[in-house]
Amino acid sequence: DAKTTQPTSMDCAEGRAANLPCNHSTISGNEYVYWYRQIHSQGPQYIIHGLKNNETNEMASLIITEDRKSSTLILPHATLRDTAVYYCIARDDKIIFGKGTRLHILP
Amino acid sequence: DSGVTQTPKHLITATGQRVTLRCSPRSGDLSVYWYQQSLDQGLQFLIQYYNGEERAKGNILERFSAQQFPDLHSELNLSSLELGDSALYFCASSPPTSGHSSYNEQFFGPGTRLTVL
Repeated sequence: DAKTTQPTSMDCAEGRAANLPCNHSTISGNEYVYWYRQIHSQGPQYIIHGLKNNETNEMASLIITEDRKSSTLILPHATLRDTAVYYCIARDDKIIFGKGTRLHILP
Repeated sequence: DSGVTQTPKHLITATGQRVTLRCSPRSGDLSVYWYQQSLDQGLQFLIQYYNGEERAKGNILERFSAQQFPDLHSELNLSSLELGDSALYFCASSPPTSGHSSYNEQFFGPGTRLTVL
């Protein structure tokens, strides 16, 4: 399984794009990159996943570098409700959560 | 609302006791996962069941056990409880895998908060 590294915390102004980085330099060819978030004490919520290509859905965009060693989750217009811990996971099968990034959205 | 239900929401018990946590997956989901989240450990994967059979094991203690029933609901049994077992316990479910990926996104329930006194 690939270990991921994320900043402990980040701030973003409300209405701006939040860009959350993740390093997964040991990722293997068949491991997907997944992003989840957890709003205080609630169950984690799936956001997006990808293998090689960039992905976009109604919640976010996922940019994966060509060498797949890092990725960035983009929340295009952050709101206060996006305040949460964001987890980047690179696994082929079961999820292993790391510490994640605590994102603070500033009014 | 993820569609995954967990009962009870809160549970307070004493050391040495045994409790059972229940999880009902989303309709159509065959996999059920259990996680433990304590303040100092983060989210820890415990165990996964797929269509009634154990599929994967994580950091699950021998005092803990789980099963998935024919109707696909799952129970997590915690025995000889210790103070350190106080935590949020999450259940998640995922649909049958499709395509070339062996994994689908997981949908988490609201959790059961266990307090051991």
